[in-house]
Amino acid sequence: TQLLEQSPQFLSIQEGENLTVYCNSSSVFSSLQWYRQEPGEGPVLLVTVVTGGEVKKLKRLTFQFGDARKDSSLHITAAQPGDTGLYLCAGAAESGGSNYKLTFGKGTLLTVNP
Amino acid sequence: GAGVSQSPRYKVAKRGQDVALRCDPISGHVSLFWYQQALGQGPEFLTYFQNEAQLDKSGLPSDRFFAERPEGSVSTLKIQRTQQEDSAVYLCASSLLGAAVQPQHFGDGTRLSIL
Repeated sequence: TQLLEQSPQFLSIQEGENLTVYCNSSSVFSSLQWYRQEPGEGPVLLVTVVTGGEVKKLKRLTFQFGDARKDSSLHITAAQPGDTGLYLCAGAAESGGSNYKLTFGKGTLLTVNP
Repeated sequence: GAGVSQSPRYKVAKRGQDVALRCDPISGHVSLFWYQQALGQGPEFLTYFQNEAQLDKSGLPSDRFFAERPEGSVSTLKIQRTQQEDSAVYLCASSLLGAAVQPQHFGDGTRLSIL
């Protein structure tokens, strides 16, 4: 069973601060995705990373996939109240037979206070 | 609509009753997934369809859970003889193809409460 551990579980910061959320596993993933989920809604995909060491930027969000494809981080610069939500990482199995299956972490609940 | 649609949004049932949850995926999407999300947790994989074929049901918690997609579009997740531990949000997602690298588009879920 592949497990993804996210940290921190809860994060409450002031508008304008920077933050980093971590997603770690002992397993290798063929790809890793980050989602944001708001209350009462389904997760919405932010980014997919595939290559070890890959860095992707989405406005104020920077995503990094570890060299060994076992871990990932999400960095938000100058957080805004609109960034508030549950951030989920999800990894796809390395083995080709079940590369459709996503394993999700428990999420980081981010609150950005005005 | 353009997105994944799930109904009902909320379902309350008494322990022992059967429930059926519906998912309308994005038109043309081959793959369909069901997930269970308990309070304060991330979604957990239940089952996967490619068109009408159920290729993976390894995540279904027990034989009380049954999913179908008879014509390769709409899917129904049925739970028989519901138990309190079945209370959760049930999410449906669809993608154009099967590989996880393909974006999965989620519905807003059905919140199931078992009394």
